[in-house]
Amino acid sequence: NAGVTQTPKFRILKIGQSMTLQCTQDMNHNYMYWYRQDPGMGLKLIYYSVGAGITDKGEVPNGYNVSRSTTEDFPLRLELAAPSQTSVYFCASSTPGHLLGPQHFGDGTRLSIL
Amino acid sequence: GESVGLHLPTLSVQEGDNSIINCAYSNSASDYFIWYKQESGKGPQFIIDIRSNMDKRQGQRVTVLLNKTVKHLSLQIAATQPGDSAVYFCAESPTNTGTASKLTFGTGTRLQVTL
Repeated sequence: NAGVTQTPKFRILKIGQSMTLQCTQDMNHNYMYWYRQDPGMGLKLIYYSVGAGITDKGEVPNGYNVSRSTTEDFPLRLELAAPSQTSVYFCASSTPGHLLGPQHFGDGTRLSIL
Repeated sequence: GESVGLHLPTLSVQEGDNSIINCAYSNSASDYFIWYKQESGKGPQFIIDIRSNMDKRQGQRVTVLLNKTVKHLSLQIAATQPGDSAVYFCAESPTNTGTASKLTFGTGTRLQVTL
């Protein structure tokens, strides 16, 4: 299994541009998440989804949008990119249910806004 | 607000010694805890987890200890190897049936293994 796959691995954007970070998982996990990680810091939750068609805001959602049309895919959209959005973005997935399981992470997208 | 933090930002350990990485949490409603390992350029990798109905859980060369009284979590790595060099994160979550596991992450501890 590939697990959680993120594309692209690196990207440089100009201020005001937009882009979509792709995330797909092949573990049939219902739950998916987007985090950002700033240098020397832990991960902060941007958005999450508990299933296709259902999304909700995390701790730092401003400037981002998500959609969840399928179980496998959870793209993150940046509109009007700003320097403050320079970060490493991680997508994760996990199983639902009565007993929580660990989140499984992709290897990240490193995004610079110049 | 509620947060998860770490006592030491960097820990240097000699190869073969045991490592202990500590984590304090403040959310008394947290009942699920995870340790992740993050190598340079990679995403966090699950190491071990523990639920609040347990005090200790062991894996391969790793042990997690949970002290709910003082809201403290630790990760012990036995016979530390160079491949253990990485940043280690603790994370916590309240468990709610049917909802996403919204983890709160600490800032991380860098483990450096010296030869």
